[in-house]
Amino acid sequence: AQSVTQLDSHVSVSEGTPVLLRCNYSSSYSPSLFWYVQHPNKGLQLLLKYTSAATLVKGINGFEAEFKKSETSFHLTKPSAHMSDAAEYFCVVTPYGQNFVFGPGTRLSVLP
Amino acid sequence: DTGVSQDPRHKITKRGQNVTFRCDPISEHNRLYWYRQTLGQGPEFLTYFQNEAQLEKSRLLSDRFSAERPKGSFSTLEIQRTEQGDSAMYLCASTPGRVNTGELFFGEGSRLTVL
Repeated sequence: AQSVTQLDSHVSVSEGTPVLLRCNYSSSYSPSLFWYVQHPNKGLQLLLKYTSAATLVKGINGFEAEFKKSETSFHLTKPSAHMSDAAEYFCVVTPYGQNFVFGPGTRLSVLP
Repeated sequence: DTGVSQDPRHKITKRGQNVTFRCDPISEHNRLYWYRQTLGQGPEFLTYFQNEAQLEKSRLLSDRFSAERPKGSFSTLEIQRTEQGDSAMYLCASTPGRVNTGELFFGEGSRLTVL
């Protein structure tokens, strides 16, 4: 069975400071991993994906994530937060590209 | 707009009534997913289709829930005898279906409120 743990339900940063959103996964097989973002009253949008190629993955809006198999982690980072980054972020695992399992989400607040 | 569309966007109903949601995926996508999301939670998988075949169904999907994709294009999700606990956002997503590379393209959801 596969599952996703997002270690922080809420993260608050100041504008211009780094962002770290943590994700750990459990999967019986080599998974594909994704980060999705959900802005208020908007649909879910893909930020980035890992599919067994490079372990450091770059996404949209300056976000990136590193796949660490030994730690079963896929943390999301951004060097400098913008106000527009305030949203809910979901880490997602899929072992076969069939059933996509979402984590509970981390709400990112960006303070001026 | 050629994205995933869902209808209706909002539905308010009384407990015990039946409701049906429709999802039109991106036209060349052969996989279609239904998820349910409640406030402050991540989307929970309900079911998915490969073309017209329903390949997996969550244990969350009680016998009051049924989903169809009769011609492998649009899909409907019906909830019979609605309960207050069914109040949620129902999300539809589609993907081309390539194994391990599939990005889910989501619609904006259908919000259900059961009074």
